[in-house]
Amino acid sequence: GAGVSQTPSNKVTEKGKYVELRCDPISGHTALYWYRQSLGQGPEFLIYFQGTGAADDSGLPNDRFFAVRPEGSVSTLKIQRTERGDSAVYLCASSSSDRGRRFFGPGTRLTVL
Amino acid sequence: SQKIEQNSEALNIQEGKTATLTCNYTNYSPAYLQWYRQDPGRGPVFLLLIRENEKEKRKERLKVTFDTTLKQSLFHITASQPADSATYLCALLSGNTPLVFGKGTRLSVIA
Repeated sequence: GAGVSQTPSNKVTEKGKYVELRCDPISGHTALYWYRQSLGQGPEFLIYFQGTGAADDSGLPNDRFFAVRPEGSVSTLKIQRTERGDSAVYLCASSSSDRGRRFFGPGTRLTVL
Repeated sequence: SQKIEQNSEALNIQEGKTATLTCNYTNYSPAYLQWYRQDPGRGPVFLLLIRENEKEKRKERLKVTFDTTLKQSLFHITASQPADSATYLCALLSGNTPLVFGKGTRLSVIA
């Protein structure tokens, strides 16, 4: 079956702009996660959804970052007033259980100029 | 503070040898420890999961050990091949905290 997909694969934007990053999880996976990865670092947790609700958003760096999953499937990560420090690869993952393996998408590379 | 350390940024080994990667943690009581492989430009791919009450797990040429006294996991690849070259990430799941990743070790297997 299809894996986790993310769009766009690359996004270049200017400082101060608004961006949306999309994640399509594996069908039937109730848990969805967003991570951010900078060069030479491991993935850094941002937010976890169980179904439609954010079960843990403790990793969101500030209130410019917001994520939704309105129907319990596709999720969108939204970043307002982007800053150069937001440049990173944003990874989405899904799983059938929070205790189990994560299935990661290929990531969206965000560059803020 | 909580910390996950993977022994080295990069590890070079000769083809056919066993690669051993280390993951140490402090101030965690992990219920699970997972290992992932990541290739350049791709998302991490799950390899193995080991629970706190398990000492060792094997899958083909891969072996993971988990020592909760030493607060350490070892990840072994036997009979290594150039195709094993990648970054290997360990990740901990503890209580209600999210899965937390180490920085990874970049393995290069030289033919």
